[in-house]
Amino acid sequence: KAGVTQTPRYLIKTRGQQVTLSCSPISGHRSVSWYQQTPGQGLQFLFEYFSETQRNKGNFPGRFSGRQFSNSRSEMNVSTLELGDSALYLCASSQSGQGLAYGYTFGSGTRLTVV
Amino acid sequence: AQTVTQSQPEMSVQEAETVTLSCTYDTSESDYYLFWYKQPPSRQMILVIRQEAYKQQNATENRFSVNFQKAAKSFSLKISDSQLGDAAMYFCAYRSTMNYGGATNKLIFGTGTLLAVQP
Repeated sequence: KAGVTQTPRYLIKTRGQQVTLSCSPISGHRSVSWYQQTPGQGLQFLFEYFSETQRNKGNFPGRFSGRQFSNSRSEMNVSTLELGDSALYLCASSQSGQGLAYGYTFGSGTRLTVV
Repeated sequence: AQTVTQSQPEMSVQEAETVTLSCTYDTSESDYYLFWYKQPPSRQMILVIRQEAYKQQNATENRFSVNFQKAAKSFSLKISDSQLGDAAMYFCAYRSTMNYGGATNKLIFGTGTLLAVQP
């Protein structure tokens, strides 16, 4: 069973540019969540998608957006990049069950560096 | 809002010895889930163990076990017979059973504990 695939693994962008990161969940998983990991702020929840609908959103500016496609693949976009957006972006997929303790399966992340 | 606190930024253990990582959390909810995740240098977060709050019995997975104290809001991880491969960053995480109006898979993480295993 293939794991969660995130592309690209590494990315270097210039301030002011925009970037799109991709996440392909495990087959059959309908929930995809995104997290930002930085040394200063730790792991912070960005947003969660389920069946193409955003189900939950973290406290990030509107420059951060995402979407999910009908095959459950998800993309997140960051516009007008700032130096502080440099981080490891992790994607996690899960079966979704109300009140059920399904664990997540994480990808290996995309390391974004903004210069 | 829920919070998760890991008060030990770094820990060290000798190979084959036992180590306990601490985690406390704050919530007003009565039903929730708690997790320990491991993040090795490969960056991928790996689920180590999980605990449902409604279960009084502590979860165990091979060499990994938890001490879940619901009243104290404490969720520590014990690693027995530590191995070199256990060296990693360990994160404690909380998941509510419900988001307002619906389910959620949002995880709230602690700041992590970096575990070193000495040969």
